[in-house]
Amino acid sequence: DAGVIQSPRHEVTEMGQEVTLRCKPISGHDYLFWYRQTMMRGLELLIYFNNNVPIDDSGMPEDRFSAKMPNASFSTLKIQPSEPRDSAVYFCASSPGDFATDTQYFGPGTRLTVL
Amino acid sequence: LAKTTQPISMDSYEGQEVNITCSHNNIATNDYITWYQQFPSQGPRFIIQGYKTKVTNEVASLFIPADRKSSTLSLPRVSLSDTAVYYCLVGGPNQGGKLIFGQGTELSVKP
Repeated sequence: DAGVIQSPRHEVTEMGQEVTLRCKPISGHDYLFWYRQTMMRGLELLIYFNNNVPIDDSGMPEDRFSAKMPNASFSTLKIQPSEPRDSAVYFCASSPGDFATDTQYFGPGTRLTVL
Repeated sequence: LAKTTQPISMDSYEGQEVNITCSHNNIATNDYITWYQQFPSQGPRFIIQGYKTKVTNEVASLFIPADRKSSTLSLPRVSLSDTAVYYCLVGGPNQGGKLIFGQGTELSVKP
């Protein structure tokens, strides 16, 4: 398997624009996670899905952020409208099962810069 | 979720053994202890996981005392390529796969 695939790898946009980040998890993995990493706040869990259903979105910073998983092989994280404080590296990860027995596999990340 | 505490940074030299200790005083009975490694510009990568005593794999060893309130990640004979941030995480089946990353320990290996 190619691992978790994220696109784009880099995104530069202007404040107010809509940004869509994409993720393809490892085939067969039931869990998908979206994280955000900044120098100030470290690595934060934004939302995670189990079998395409959002389970916990308590980490989503505000209504400008939304995430979907229309099928088992694709997920999106959308920011609308984007703001400079959204600049960060966004990671997608997938896992075959529960934390206790299965590890999470992270993608290479998308570096987002909002000007 | 159990909170973890680990040193912010550590320095070492090539060839030395490095031990990074993580404190997790509120660990629950069903919780496992997991360590991840993150290189610059990459996502975290699983290193090792354990429940009690000692676990060893080709990369590292994990020592967990009987009270499980702390754990020590041991990296034998580090090289420059081991320079990374190391995260200690604690969690179990009752949190459904959710990982909470702390600040991590930034390990710098010097020649």
